[in-house]
Amino acid sequence: GAVVSQHPSRVICKSGTSVKIECRSLDFQATTMFWYRQFPKQSLMLMATSNEGSKATYEQGVEKDKFLINHASLTLSTLTVTSAHPEDSSFYICSARDMNEQYFGPGTRLTVT
Amino acid sequence: QKEVEQNSGPLSVPEGAIASLNCTYSDRGSQSFFWYRQYSGKSPELIMSIYSNGDKEDGRFTAQLNKASQYVSLLIRDSQPSDSATYLCAVNTDNDMRFGAGTRLTVKP
Repeated sequence: GAVVSQHPSRVICKSGTSVKIECRSLDFQATTMFWYRQFPKQSLMLMATSNEGSKATYEQGVEKDKFLINHASLTLSTLTVTSAHPEDSSFYICSARDMNEQYFGPGTRLTVT
Repeated sequence: QKEVEQNSGPLSVPEGAIASLNCTYSDRGSQSFFWYRQYSGKSPELIMSIYSNGDKEDGRFTAQLNKASQYVSLLIRDSQPSDSATYLCAVNTDNDMRFGAGTRLTVKP
């Protein structure tokens, strides 16, 4: 299957700082990438759909000014969590679609202290 | 009504048994169906895709699709403790992928 990478895998930051997470499709081009968040023992929650060359589409309740998404190329999307707070601590997972199938990156565990 | 429904479990089976995971979906126009496995603390991994009615087998896994009943299932034969994970059902409708909440499976040695 297709490979999606994510960086960093784990990050700890102080409250009020910003954190950028990168998502790359390694062996295919992805016009659309997806960003999910998952709290412990809970379901995946879709945050936004990232479209190459255009603005991301955010799910209801997700603050677009807090979670900045940039999809500058067909293989790279970034999620920046701005002014992070402890409640933003979560597992952030990106995903990209190759043909009909959707593949997930390994995830980034964010801890805000 | 949720678009993709799964029994949250936990489903517990003994080692060597068949584990049966079920999923129903609401949109009759859905075209493609997927099963993902998610180990605790890890991201989901695609294990099966199925596009037409009937069974599709891959090793110990069999996906079954019944579009008339809007039902898709995953059977795991000869279950192993390493199969213990949460299994997510996903349904693609017009390029919109929707995930179920997942069923937690525990295989006991």
